[in-house]
Amino acid sequence: EVQLVQSGAEVKKPGESLKISCKGSGYSFANYWIAWVRQMPEKGLEWMGVIYPSDSDTRYSPSFQGQVTISADKSISTAYLQWTSLKASDTAMYYCARTTSAYDAFDIWGQGTMVTVSS
Amino acid sequence: EIVLTQSPATLSLSPGERATLSCRASQSVSSFLAWYQQKPGQAPRLLIYDASNRATGIPARFSGSGSGTDFTLTISSLEPEDLAVYYCQQRNNWPTTFGPGTKVDIK
Repeated sequence: EVQLVQSGAEVKKPGESLKISCKGSGYSFANYWIAWVRQMPEKGLEWMGVIYPSDSDTRYSPSFQGQVTISADKSISTAYLQWTSLKASDTAMYYCARTTSAYDAFDIWGQGTMVTVSS
Repeated sequence: EIVLTQSPATLSLSPGERATLSCRASQSVSSFLAWYQQKPGQAPRLLIYDASNRATGIPARFSGSGSGTDFTLTISSLEPEDLAVYYCQQRNNWPTTFGPGTKVDIK
């Protein structure tokens, strides 16, 4: 079964760092792009960026460039999304999703990781 | 950045009725438009890609049409499990963008 499994919910304080993960299985992880999508509470979907695990080619939405870092380790079929200094406004559900190219539809989604940032 | 507008914001229909959801783009996206279904508490699921192609495992009651700036998702006969928010997404222009969603309520 093709699936993406994300790491568990996180509760952090403003200013803390965080790295969440997304592990792929059931397919050739290195040969598909992985995107990250943010969904703030009771809001819609926002594309953050995408990475190609085979060579770590990464593209960011202008809205998220410099705010987060996307990375991947193809040897363990895992992609990551990280922050160096969280803000309360980073509170959201974060999804990873698979796509066949940097700009294609997302055919497989992870279950989501809820990140809560509160003092 | 291409802006997608979806209408109506909420659609309330009875089981068996036909649902018609609209997505309009601020400029042409050719046929590079997808539709997703997000049920309460779940991740989104791909329904339609490239305007009219059903994704793997999607029931035939879901269909998509349109090109350029105007697109439609049709659910031919609503089932109770179709309660969800439906999002459109364009991939013709970078960055890819999503519409604000249409919530489908089942009466």
